[in-house]
Amino acid sequence: QVHLQESGPRLVKPSQALSLSCSVSGGSINNGDRYWSWIRQSPEKGLEWIGYIFYTGIPYYNPSLRGRLTMSLDTSKNQFSLRLTSLTAADTAVYYCATAPVIPGGFDDWGQGILVTVSS
Amino acid sequence: EIVLTQSPGTLSLSPGERATLSCRASQSFSSSYLAWYQQKPGQAPRLLIDGVSIRAAGIPDRFSGSGSGTDFTLTISRLEPEDFAMYFCQQYDSSYTFGQGTKLEI
Repeated sequence: QVHLQESGPRLVKPSQALSLSCSVSGGSINNGDRYWSWIRQSPEKGLEWIGYIFYTGIPYYNPSLRGRLTMSLDTSKNQFSLRLTSLTAADTAVYYCATAPVIPGGFDDWGQGILVTVSS
Repeated sequence: EIVLTQSPGTLSLSPGERATLSCRASQSFSSSYLAWYQQKPGQAPRLLIDGVSIRAAGIPDRFSGSGSGTDFTLTISRLEPEDFAMYFCQQYDSSYTFGQGTKLEI
């Protein structure tokens, strides 16, 4: 079981970009048997999977967010990150980082979540 | 995209009773790639059931999952006070999608 912790801004202006990081402890993001994901939750959309990144650095994004989304790894810090551009109020949500096994499975470890509000 | 529809939206029961929560998929699964989560206010979801019917580590045996194709069920055999929460189903057969949730209330 790994521990995940999100960090980043809690208030972002419309049209700006959001950058969040997820620090991983108790395990390595170089672990080839895990996907490292971002998930968000809002009253309007419920739980929405954003995307995942593999230890190779190859990402896979939710098609609904493709074009605005970039995910990356920093193996030296054992963390992975999200950058979401052109924010609107619809991007206001609690953002979670989470991990799931490559051998298909559910998300068995989650961060505590960070509430991000998009507002001027 | 596979859409998951959960019912009922809210389930009102008492401790000691049996809870049956439903999750219906918009298309059939050819695999067992369905999970259930419990979420309490202010907390992240917690994995309860994986692979339709496999309890995650540390989950009490009063929780059980079943189903196939497009219809899946989470059953809580005898409700404990700490079981009153939100429950979500999730598929990982084709990308990842979640149901909208069932609120289990006293």
